[in-house]
Amino acid sequence: GENVEQHPSTLSVQEGDSAVIKCTYSDSASNYFPWYKQELGKRPQLIIDIRSNVGEKKDQRIAVTLNKTAKHFSLHITETQPEDSAVYFCAASFSGGYNKLIFGAGTRLAVHP
Amino acid sequence: SAVISQKPSRDICQRGTSLTIQCQVDSQVTMMFWYRQQPGQSLTLIATANQGSEATYESGFVIDKFPISRPNLTFSTLTVSNMSPEDSSIYLCSAEATSGRGYQETQYFGPGTRLLVL
Repeated sequence: GENVEQHPSTLSVQEGDSAVIKCTYSDSASNYFPWYKQELGKRPQLIIDIRSNVGEKKDQRIAVTLNKTAKHFSLHITETQPEDSAVYFCAASFSGGYNKLIFGAGTRLAVHP
Repeated sequence: SAVISQKPSRDICQRGTSLTIQCQVDSQVTMMFWYRQQPGQSLTLIATANQGSEATYESGFVIDKFPISRPNLTFSTLTVSNMSPEDSSIYLCSAEATSGRGYQETQYFGPGTRLLVL
């Protein structure tokens, strides 16, 4: 069945360091991979996404890479800041229809000043 | 993008009762979704609600427990029926922006409804 594994579950870094979160997916037909940031008590917010025809995408301090052969994609945050502290969810589209997303379990990122 | 609101934002209910959650989108969208999020957990899809057709439920969720309405392209409701304490959770709706470009677009989320069942 469809599945998205996300690692690590928690990540603690010092301000200014880089953070990397990795996800693997099971459906080889998945073609859309968004990343969401969820602050405590708030709704998930899209921070970046990538489609299967692109290997890498960057938006200021955030980048996502996709390896379709290995079926994994990663979120990279450089020069982390305390306001980056949140839970991050990866997701993959499911090819079985209805445009649904399968979410990873989440990574709780803590950036310490 | 799509701006999504939900009502109520939170509620405390007695077991055996039902609660209907409303989701309003500021633009017409084809796809709307309902999720459940337990504290500290990921998002679990309950069902997909498309206008003009019955909702499609994920494994473990049934229409009798979570009836969904989708009367038009900007609105949907989720009812949590015959509630028990196990239904205590955050319920989120989302909508996929409709661009007409023929591929999957961004899903935007509502603020969620925090439900506590006593």
